[in-house]
Amino acid sequence: NAGVTQTPKFQVLKTGQSMTLQCAQDMNHNSMYWYRQDPGMGLRLIYYSASEGTTDKGEVPNGYNVSRLNKREFSLRLESAAPSQTSVYFCASTTTGNSYNEQFFGPGTRLTVL
Amino acid sequence: GENVEQHPSTLSVQEGDSAVIKCTYSDSASNYFPWYKQELGKGPQLIIDIRSNVGEKKDQRIAVTLNKTAKHFSLHITETQPEDSAVYFCAAPNYGGSQGNLIFGKGTKLSVKP
Repeated sequence: NAGVTQTPKFQVLKTGQSMTLQCAQDMNHNSMYWYRQDPGMGLRLIYYSASEGTTDKGEVPNGYNVSRLNKREFSLRLESAAPSQTSVYFCASTTTGNSYNEQFFGPGTRLTVL
Repeated sequence: GENVEQHPSTLSVQEGDSAVIKCTYSDSASNYFPWYKQELGKGPQLIIDIRSNVGEKKDQRIAVTLNKTAKHFSLHITETQPEDSAVYFCAAPNYGGSQGNLIFGKGTKLSVKP
């Protein structure tokens, strides 16, 4: 099993450009997440998808959109990139049920917006 | 919603010494407390977790303690080794969001000097 995969690994954008970050998991997990990691700020939740067909805002959703394409794939789109969106982006997934379970993280996408 | 505070932000120890990282949480209903380790250039990975029905859990050189009355939990690493150098995150459930959502602390960068 590959676990959680993310593409691309690195990306440089100019202000105003758009792009989509891709995430896929092969663990048959129901829930998927997008986080951003900034120095001194920890991991902050952007959007999540509790199950196929549903998406909800997290702590810092402004400037982003998401699509849960199917059970495996969850993409994050920046419609008009801004320098404040320079960050490392992580996708994660987990099974859900009556109790909390381990979240499995991808290797991350390092995004720079000039 | 839940608020998680983590201290210290950086910690430097000599190889063989012990390291302790502390977190506090605000929601008395929280019942699941995981710890994640992030090595340089990688995504976070679960190393240990504790549920509120126990006060301590050990796994070889790492242990986690939980004090529900005081609403704090701690990660203890004994006999530290250079490969323990990483960023460590604590987390707690975010009951304001969907089942499975976590709120992460801001992280502790642990450096183990040979």
